[in-house]
Amino acid sequence: GENVEQHPSTLSVQEGDSAVIKCTYSDSASNYFPWYKQELGKGPQLIIDIRSNVGEKKDQRIAVTLNKTAKHFSLHITETQPEDSAVYFCAASTPSQKVTFGIGTKLQVIP
Amino acid sequence: EAEVAQSPRYKITEKSQAVAFWCDPISGHATLYWYRQILGQGPELLVQFQDESVVDDSQLPKDRFSAERLKGVDSTLKIQPAELGDSAMYLCASSNNRDRGRLTINTEAFFGQGTRLTVV
Repeated sequence: GENVEQHPSTLSVQEGDSAVIKCTYSDSASNYFPWYKQELGKGPQLIIDIRSNVGEKKDQRIAVTLNKTAKHFSLHITETQPEDSAVYFCAASTPSQKVTFGIGTKLQVIP
Repeated sequence: EAEVAQSPRYKITEKSQAVAFWCDPISGHATLYWYRQILGQGPELLVQFQDESVVDDSQLPKDRFSAERLKGVDSTLKIQPAELGDSAMYLCASSNNRDRGRLTINTEAFFGQGTRLTVV
């Protein structure tokens, strides 16, 4: 089955700096890669996603890149703000809609 | 805004007892997922439904866990008997991957708030 590895597990950045989280996947059939943000006591919420026919996608301060050949994808947050502090999960989904999550990255933005 | 509803939010139960969780997905969403999230880890898929049918329950411990979605709408996840190691957050999610009756490409999964289970 699919295996998604995510790093780093924790990340501290100064407010205004950029944060980068990287993930790799194993199943070449995976074709959809969502990123979720989870705040304490809440369920994960989608922040951005990318499909396998696209190499990069941007939404304001958030961008995601995908390298299908290397089977890795990354999340980039620019101009970080304290409210960006949360746990971020990458995920990979196969055509059968099975979604496998990474272990998560706890991001702390220091004011 | 439509949401995935889960109940209860919190549940404390003694080991060997039975416990059940309920999920009401967003209206019209054909795919429903149950995930288990242990503190500090990512969600792990327990079972995936497409309408009322199970499409993946390979990671569901079937000796003690059961899940159903009888009418293809809301769903129940049951644990009997509960064990200490079952303490976790149980998340339900749904996605709308049907367009005019046909399955479409992957779409966003919407998560509920989860049920925090503590087995003592």
